Amino acid sequence: NAGVTQTPKFRILKIGQSMTLQCAQDMNHNYMYWYRQDPGMGLKLIYYSVGAGITDKGEVPNGYNVSRSTTEDFPLRLELAAPSQTSVYFCASREQGSYEQYFGPGTRLTVT
Amino acid sequence: GQQLNQSPQSMFIQEGEDVSMNCTSSSIFNTWLWYKQDPGEGPVLLIALYKAGELTSNGRLTAQFGITRKDSFLNISASIPSDVGIYFCAGRISGSEKLVFGKGTKLTVNP
Repeated sequence: NAGVTQTPKFRILKIGQSMTLQCAQDMNHNYMYWYRQDPGMGLKLIYYSVGAGITDKGEVPNGYNVSRSTTEDFPLRLELAAPSQTSVYFCASREQGSYEQYFGPGTRLTVT
Repeated sequence: GQQLNQSPQSMFIQEGEDVSMNCTSSSIFNTWLWYKQDPGEGPVLLIALYKAGELTSNGRLTAQFGITRKDSFLNISASIPSDVGIYFCAGRISGSEKLVFGKGTKLTVNP
């Protein structure tokens, strides 16, 4: 099992550009989450999904979009990148019946 | 929204010392989780707690689910240099699919 994988590991965007952060898990987990981590601020939930075709907003969803067409994949889309979106993004997943979330290695995004 | 207060914010200790950190909240939680994050990596789950009063160990790590259900504690015994990292607590309130995270405790261990 590869667990939770994320690509790319690093990315630099110009203001106004768009990109998709990829997240995949091979554990057949129903639940998937996207977080952003800013220095000294812990993890903030952006969006989450309880299964294929179902997504919901977290604490800081503005400027992001998600989709969940398969159980395995949960991509995060930035349409118009802004400097405030400079952060480290983590994807996580868990199985139904357990609240233990397992994290990917992260994507470090810089918007200049 | 829900908030977790994690303390201390940072700790500098000597190798071999024991470490204690905690998380508190004004809300009642049904689940407490403790994670460790190494630089440049994602958080790794250390211990999960599901019952008030529960005490669970994972090697030199011991965590407790507070009886009031509003706090949790993590202890590390006989620290070693590889314990260096940021430790996060996370809690879940009843009926929620989401976790709330503390801001982390940064641990430095001097050999």
